[in-house]
Amino acid sequence: KAGVTQTPRYLIKTRGQQVTLSCSPISGHRSVSWYQQTPGQGLQFLFEYFSETQRNKGNFPGRFSGRQFSNSRSEMNVSTLELGDSALYLCASSLEVRDGYTFGSGTRLTVV
Amino acid sequence: QKEVEQNSGPLSVPEGAIASLNCTYSDRGSQSFFWYRQYSGKSPELIMFIYSNGDKEDGRFTAQLNKASQYVSLLIRDSQPSDSATYLCAVKGPGGFKTIFGAGTRLFVKA
Repeated sequence: KAGVTQTPRYLIKTRGQQVTLSCSPISGHRSVSWYQQTPGQGLQFLFEYFSETQRNKGNFPGRFSGRQFSNSRSEMNVSTLELGDSALYLCASSLEVRDGYTFGSGTRLTVV
Repeated sequence: QKEVEQNSGPLSVPEGAIASLNCTYSDRGSQSFFWYRQYSGKSPELIMFIYSNGDKEDGRFTAQLNKASQYVSLLIRDSQPSDSATYLCAVKGPGGFKTIFGAGTRLFVKA
């Protein structure tokens, strides 16, 4: 059974650019969440999707957006990148909203 | 006040001892409680979940929940050097959405 797949694994972008990250959840999992992890702030909640609907959003600026497709795959987009956006972005999926997560390996984004 | 608080540690215990990790949360409506283990350079991995007051045991791990005190704990019996990692407490709010993570407690198990 395939795990949560995130692509790409690494990205280097320049300030002002935009980036799209992709996440394929475990087959059958309908809930997908995104987190930003930095050494100083830990795991910060970005958004959660369930059956293509955004159920909750964290305290991030509008430059951060996401969506979920009918096959449960999810993307997140960050526009007008800032140096402070450099982080590990983790996607996690669960079968139902009450369940714990299975995390992907993450996308390491570096903004220069 | 942070929504989920953990002692950042590091917590150091000798091999074979019991490691006790603690977590408090602020939202009384929280419904689901989780412990994740994260090794350096790796993603978090779910090790325990608990929904009801009391204790839940799984092998060497025991999760304890006290909703009245808004307190969750994880006990690791017979600690092994391979248990050395950061342990993240996570809490799901009402409705089951939006899981909030604590900052994590670093555990070192000395051989």
